[in-house]
Amino acid sequence: GENVEQHPSTLSVQEGDSAVIKCTYSDSASNYFPWYKQELGKGPQLIIDIRSNVGEKKDQRIAVTLNKTAKHFSLHITETQPEDSAVYFCAASIRKYSGGGADGLTFGKGTHLIIQP
Amino acid sequence: KAGVTQTPRYLIKTRGQQVTLSCSPISGHRSVSWYQQTPGQGLQFLFEYFSETQRNKGNFPGRFSGRQFSNSRSEMNVSTLELGDSALYLCASSLPSEKTQYFGPGTRLTVL
Repeated sequence: GENVEQHPSTLSVQEGDSAVIKCTYSDSASNYFPWYKQELGKGPQLIIDIRSNVGEKKDQRIAVTLNKTAKHFSLHITETQPEDSAVYFCAASIRKYSGGGADGLTFGKGTHLIIQP
Repeated sequence: KAGVTQTPRYLIKTRGQQVTLSCSPISGHRSVSWYQQTPGQGLQFLFEYFSETQRNKGNFPGRFSGRQFSNSRSEMNVSTLELGDSALYLCASSLPSEKTQYFGPGTRLTVL
């Protein structure tokens, strides 16, 4: 089955600096890579996702890059703010269906991002 | 539009008991997936239901089961609870033919 590795497990950056979180996946058939942010006591919230036919995607201060050949993808957060402090998870889809329905996601272990004031 | 709702939010059970958790997806979403989150194993996929049919299943024992109703609401059941079943159980829903999954707040299950 699919295996997703995520690094680092903890990342501390100064407010205003950039943060980068990296993930690798094992199944070359995976074609969907979402990133989730989870705050204490809440469920994961989707912040950005990318599909295998795209190399990069940006949404304001957040960007994701995908290297299919190397089977890795990264989350970039620029101009970090205190509210960015949370646990971030990368994930990859493991199966594909035609005609609808969601694929089970394989998650990385998470990165605890700490924004230092 | 209301998000994914899960009930109850917190639950305490003892070993050997069984438990049923409920999930109401976002209106119009017909796919519901369940995940278990623990500090040690992280987020793990349990199963996914679409149009009342289980379409995908993770690597969990048969004590974990689920179902989906015609209104897309879903329940999961865990029988013969073990201490290791203590976890946050998350439900996620998605639109037909869409991969994006939206998570609910979870049900925190504690097994004593």
